[in-house]
Amino acid sequence: DAMVIQNPRYQVTQFGKPVTLSCSQTLNHNVMYWYQQKSSQAPKLLFHYYDKDFNNEADTPDNFQSRRPNTSFCFLDIRSPGLGDAAMYLCATSRDGTGQGYGYTFGSGTRLTVV
Amino acid sequence: QKEVEQDPGPLSVPEGAIVSLNCTYSNSAFQYFMWYRQYSRKGPELLMYTYSSGNKEDGRFTAQVDKSSKYISLFIRDSQPSDSATYLCAMKEHGGSQGNLIFGKGTKLSVKP
Repeated sequence: DAMVIQNPRYQVTQFGKPVTLSCSQTLNHNVMYWYQQKSSQAPKLLFHYYDKDFNNEADTPDNFQSRRPNTSFCFLDIRSPGLGDAAMYLCATSRDGTGQGYGYTFGSGTRLTVV
Repeated sequence: QKEVEQDPGPLSVPEGAIVSLNCTYSNSAFQYFMWYRQYSRKGPELLMYTYSSGNKEDGRFTAQVDKSSKYISLFIRDSQPSDSATYLCAMKEHGGSQGNLIFGKGTKLSVKP
């Protein structure tokens, strides 16, 4: 089945130790998004790629970076994780920027713990 | 005022009850309205999608959008224990270039057998 796959499902990292989360999609969607979701809060958009064009949200900390080497893969790099970065990280895709007709397709998320 | 307001609950109902979930919003430019269901420790999955005002029905689920009141609703008929999840409303401006889908905080629903 076409889908959005995130690895790993659970990630534990040390304070300040760089960590990379990955996302792959078989939907051939143009747009890929990274959201941060903390407990009982709305998902918050960090950035997104429309094809190779990178779009950073104004309030996304510099500590967060992203790479999209090809259509299928997108990575979230956290350069120096702090305790406040512990959250569920959600990858999503959409056919185009409107999400028209089918909305966004989300992966199952990576739950990041910082110790 | 946040762009999208959603009562976080939790909401507990008996099996078979009609459930009403709601969101209000402040941005009159929103045109696309969605409801996502999120099971514990999973990503959100699209449940209902509506463009502009009106109603949309899919099985036991009905989505309503009232743009004049900036109010959207999701109704679940004959609720089942498998409906227990967090329901997130989400909305987006028409023609917004790429992103941003604005989410509510989600309402946690528990359907008791």
